[in-house]
Amino acid sequence: EDQVTQSPEALRLQEGESSSLNCSYTVSGLRGLFWYRQDPGKGPEFLFTLYSAGEEKEKERLKATLTKKESFLHITAPKPEDSATYLCAVQRTFSGGYNKLIFGAGTRLAVHP
Amino acid sequence: EPEVTQTPSHQVTQMGQEVILRCVPISNHLYFYWYRQILGQKVEFLVSFYNNEISEKSEIFDDQFSVERPDGSNFTLKIRSTKLEDSAMYFCARTTGFNEQFFGPGTRLTVL
Repeated sequence: EDQVTQSPEALRLQEGESSSLNCSYTVSGLRGLFWYRQDPGKGPEFLFTLYSAGEEKEKERLKATLTKKESFLHITAPKPEDSATYLCAVQRTFSGGYNKLIFGAGTRLAVHP
Repeated sequence: EPEVTQTPSHQVTQMGQEVILRCVPISNHLYFYWYRQILGQKVEFLVSFYNNEISEKSEIFDDQFSVERPDGSNFTLKIRSTKLEDSAMYFCARTTGFNEQFFGPGTRLTVL
């Protein structure tokens, strides 16, 4: 069965204190791994898609990496505005069209000044 | 990026009543999804809709649920007889040509 596990469940950082969030997955044929940011009461906001092991993508203070079993979201010198829940999702290979996303439970990040 | 809009933002209904949630794409995309998120839980896939037909549906998407695109523009999710456990945030999403799924702001459904 396809499964996505994120750790830690919650993370508290001081402003400027870099850290990493983990997403481990089990999927029968990975088409893509997605990272989203979600603020309370809002829809997930797209950050990155990774398709193959070794791939890396960056956006401001965020950098996502992918291996065959897990993905990391590195946050460098975070600011209070980076506080949010970060969601990881996987997409299986599909014979046609675009397949559904399978989400993890997320990591709640709080960055304090 | 261009997204979708959803209406209403909050819907309160009595158990057993029918509700219709609407998704309005800004661009004329063909591939849409509905997901839901019960408070404090994971985002869960409900159904995908491609070229005016259901492409895939989850076990959650039982006979109480239906989707359609009545006027070629709005994309609706109907729950025929709401239950307390249907209370959740419902998100519409659409796919670009690059396989990225963009989510709308959601509709909060409260069933009393």
